[in-house]
Amino acid sequence: ETGVTQSPTHLIKTRGQQVTLRCSSQSGHNTVSWYQQALGQGPQFIFQYYREEENGRGNFPPRFSGLQFPNYSSELNVNALELDDSALYLCASSLAGTVLSTFGSGTRLTVV
Amino acid sequence: TQLLEQSPQFLSIQEGENLTVYCNSSSVFSSLQWYRQEPGEGPVLLVTVVTGGEVKKLKRLTFQFGDARKDSSLHITAAQPGDTGLYLCAGGYTGNQFYFGTGTSLTVIP
Repeated sequence: ETGVTQSPTHLIKTRGQQVTLRCSSQSGHNTVSWYQQALGQGPQFIFQYYREEENGRGNFPPRFSGLQFPNYSSELNVNALELDDSALYLCASSLAGTVLSTFGSGTRLTVV
Repeated sequence: TQLLEQSPQFLSIQEGENLTVYCNSSSVFSSLQWYRQEPGEGPVLLVTVVTGGEVKKLKRLTFQFGDARKDSSLHITAAQPGDTGLYLCAGGYTGNQFYFGTGTSLTVIP
């Protein structure tokens, strides 16, 4: 049974650029949630995807968007990057109806 | 904005000591989870509590969910250097959407 895989592990982008982060969910999981964790803080919920549709969203602007694919993998897209977007982006997969989530190791995004 | 406040924010103790970490909120949650996170890694789930007043034990760790399902505590007995890490509580609503606390960074000195 494979866990949650995120790519890339590290990324450096320039302010104003766009970025796409990827997440492969754990085998058997059909729900993917994305979180942003700034240095020294707890993760903040961005949004969740279930059945290829957004299924809940935290307090993040529309330039944060996502996709879920038929194989339950997911992408997080961020447009018009700002310096404050620098953070560890975490993906967590789960099976709908359960409370058990598995987290990936995250993508460290640095915006310069 | 974090819905859950954790205290203390930082904790440094000697090996063998006991400690308690608190997680408080004004919101009622359907479930509450505790995670441990090490540098460069994602959070790893330690426990999930769902019933008000519930107590769960995991070896030297004891977790309690408040009667009103708004707060929780994590107590570690005889802390060891391997317990070092960032401890996060996360309150859940329906649909596996969890809101994390501010985190408690624990350092256990040998």
